[in-house]
Amino acid sequence: EPEVTQTPSHQVTQMGQEVILRCVPISNHLYFYWYRQILGQKVEFLVSFYNNEISEKSEIFDDQFSVERPDGSNFTLKIRSTKLEDSAMYFCASRAQGAVYNEQFFGPGTRLTVL
Amino acid sequence: GDSVTQMEGPVTLSEEAFLTINCTYTATGYPSLFWYVQYPGEGLQLLLKATKADDKGSNKGFEATYRKETTSFHLEKGSVQVSDSAVYFCALSDRDTGNQFYFGTGTSLTVIP
Repeated sequence: EPEVTQTPSHQVTQMGQEVILRCVPISNHLYFYWYRQILGQKVEFLVSFYNNEISEKSEIFDDQFSVERPDGSNFTLKIRSTKLEDSAMYFCASRAQGAVYNEQFFGPGTRLTVL
Repeated sequence: GDSVTQMEGPVTLSEEAFLTINCTYTATGYPSLFWYVQYPGEGLQLLLKATKADDKGSNKGFEATYRKETTSFHLEKGSVQVSDSAVYFCALSDRDTGNQFYFGTGTSLTVIP
């Protein structure tokens, strides 16, 4: 069964450093998403991406964040200058066009630890 | 705006006990409803889903019925197992736009032998 993959599974970085989290969505999906889950809290929407542009973003997704689909298969989330509060699990998701339930398929997540 | 309110945990049950995790929602449109499960150290896995009123989603012995009149989607299982220990998230997606999921806070379930 097709699945969303994410790399790395765990990223440790120093405060102020740039990180890039990578995702490979399911191949025929056209809608892509990033969510995050701070430890012990709920999963929060960050951004959605369709047709090579951001279609919606939350208040969390400020100028420090950016997304890109550089090569038609990968979907990346970049954090320019990480803060301690960026430590969280980051989930990528994708959705097919015309999905019956608007179902999103989630990757296993990247745990980001900012020291 | 759209939101999900989920029963707070943690919940601890003995094996073979009956499980209910309450979930209610607020939506401006007509949402699809989901339950996701997160096992320790893993990502989010879809457990079950329902797209219209009175639909019942079911999987692995878990069930949830889409109740429009009470705006609820409570998760139930008749006899839990130790392997069901996980965090359960209720979520909704607007059926027309589907542009983001709104998640509840998650309910941690521990099943003891």
